[in-house]
Amino acid sequence: SAVISQKPSRDICQRGTSLTIQCQVDSQVTMMFWYRQQPGQSLTLIATANQGSEATYESGFVIDKFPISRPNLTFSTLTVSNMSPEDSSIYLCSARGQGRTDTQYFGPGTRLTVL
Amino acid sequence: ILNVEQSPQSLHVQEGDSTNFTCSFPSSNFYALHWYRWETAKSPEALFVMTLNGDEKKKGRISATLNTKEGYSYLYIKGSQPEDSATYLCVHYGGSQGNLIFGKGTKLSVKP
Repeated sequence: SAVISQKPSRDICQRGTSLTIQCQVDSQVTMMFWYRQQPGQSLTLIATANQGSEATYESGFVIDKFPISRPNLTFSTLTVSNMSPEDSSIYLCSARGQGRTDTQYFGPGTRLTVL
Repeated sequence: ILNVEQSPQSLHVQEGDSTNFTCSFPSSNFYALHWYRWETAKSPEALFVMTLNGDEKKKGRISATLNTKEGYSYLYIKGSQPEDSATYLCVHYGGSQGNLIFGKGTKLSVKP
């Protein structure tokens, strides 16, 4: 199993600013991901964080808006850049192995409100 | 069905009631179905992963079934307790890209 911590747990930010969310996994994992859940919506994958290289973004998400780093197997950051109220969401870090039936572990989330 | 659909969206029951909810998913290119329980301000917690048609899994008072041919899974909670209050997420692992697709969840509230 893996325990994932995220910080901050919540934040209230002003429009136009940026926020970096940190994710730490207590064990080495193959795959790390960043998700977003907007109010009333499903969890949506933003990107797969790749160790030592550029993240792989899903359709609708771009590096300039959501830069991601993963310097090693246990740590990743997601930055929400030039924020607008539409970015108000819960952002979750996640990790799992490569197998299809591997359990996917999640952090507790970062609740972001943009004014 | 292209997406994962869960119903009902929310559910309010009394302590002691038994309840169930549904997850519908694409039946083609199926690999696995996961159920998670997500309590507010906590990490989503894995409940079950099921891969075979007809699979039934049980964990305490919670159980789940899987029908891959028709593309649905049921989650049952027997004798609901207030601590069962959470959002239950269904996650389909499949598709041509082997992606994880999440349902919107069923939010369960159990009143004492």
